[in-house]
This record gives sequence, structure tokens and C-alpha cells, in this order.
Amino acid sequence: AQKITQTQPGMFVQEKEAVTLDCTYDTSDPSYGLFWYKQPSSGEMIFLIYQGSYDQQNATEGRYSLNFQKARKSANLVISASQLGDSAMYFCAMREHSGNTGKLIFGQGTTLQVKP
Amino acid sequence: DVKVTQSSRYLVKRTGEKVFLECVQDMDHENMFWYRQDPGLGLRLIYFSYDVKMKEKGDIPEGYSVSREKKERFSLILESASTNQTSMYLCASSTRVYEQYFGPGTRLTVT
Repeated sequence: AQKITQTQPGMFVQEKEAVTLDCTYDTSDPSYGLFWYKQPSSGEMIFLIYQGSYDQQNATEGRYSLNFQKARKSANLVISASQLGDSAMYFCAMREHSGNTGKLIFGQGTTLQVKP
Repeated sequence: DVKVTQSSRYLVKRTGEKVFLECVQDMDHENMFWYRQDPGLGLRLIYFSYDVKMKEKGDIPEGYSVSREKKERFSLILESASTNQTSMYLCASSTRVYEQYFGPGTRLTVT
């Protein structure tokens, strides 16, 4: 069965440093997509970055990059040069492309706190 | 900009009441979703809809029903609210291949 695991309930990082948030997944579908969302204390879910299972290169969006290791089934989010506004909960999610419904499966989330 | 709106940010209801949570999207998306979010459990899918009048159960449909009479609107119904349904409820919409867009969430308290 498909599953997403985030093993870090909480993380701290010093402002301006880089931080890696871990995500592992399990699926038997060869075609899938991996997403990261940010949820600030206000509650809205903000889409950050996407990686397709057949993409050859790791996805990047500004200060966000996704370290995609297919053989290890991991899709870690790297935030470079952390800012105070990065303090939030972060969710990893996966969509299997079979079925074509756009359903996402979410991990438990990681709370990131950026220290000044 | 894609916009997903939810009828209330905060809601307090009594046990046994019938509760309606409304979600509207303005991007003509085929898919719409209802999740609940609880600490330590992430987001869990309650129901989703891939077309008007079409719906499918998610992972935790018990105690909930949904309605999608128009493409832009997806309603979540708690037929008889119970205290264990106190939670944050998030609505989302998407096309079939791209990311989901979320509404601001409704924090429901059942007393």
C-alpha cells in the first residue's frame, strides 16, 4: 500500500543556514509525483515544489530543492539560507498516476522552527 | 490566482447537530477533496469528487457525507456531529495532473 513517512516531528535551524526535511515513500506504481507543502500558523497549505518519478533532475524552486533518490524511495526537502518566515509545518505528499484522480497521500508533517 | 474558499474559518457546534462545510473553487477544476487534519496524523482524506455528482470515499469517510451538485462547489456534511469530529477541515481542488490548491481551512469544535 502507498505510504509517506516523515520521521522528524520537529526541527530547529539557525537563520541563514540550510536544513533538510526527510521524507520516504512507498509505492508499487512506477509513475508517481512527490510534493512538498508548507503550512504556516495561519493554516493555509502552500504548494512549494514537485518532483515526477521520471524526472531526471532534482526539482528546484528558489531556495527550495528536492533531493530525489529513487532507489532509496526518498524525497527530502532542502531549504537553503533559512529565514524566520520559513518557520512552519511542512508536509510531504505523493500522488500515484494510475487512477488519474489527483488523490494525494500526506505524511505526518515536520514542524520547522528557525532561530534568529 | 487560483482561489479556494471555505464558508467559515471557525465553527462551534453542539453534539448531534447537522453541520455543513462549504467549499468553492473558481478554477474549473475537475477534482475536489475534503481532508481533516489532526496533530501527529497529518492530513487524512475524507471524501473526494472527480466530477459533478461523482464522489468516492477516502480513508476516513465514517460519519461524513458529501455533495457536489455544481462543479465549483463541494460540501462536507456531518449528519450528527460528535466530539471526535472536532478538527481542522481542509478543502482542496486540482486538475488531474497538477498540484492541489487548498482553502484556508475550517476549525470545527463540537461540544
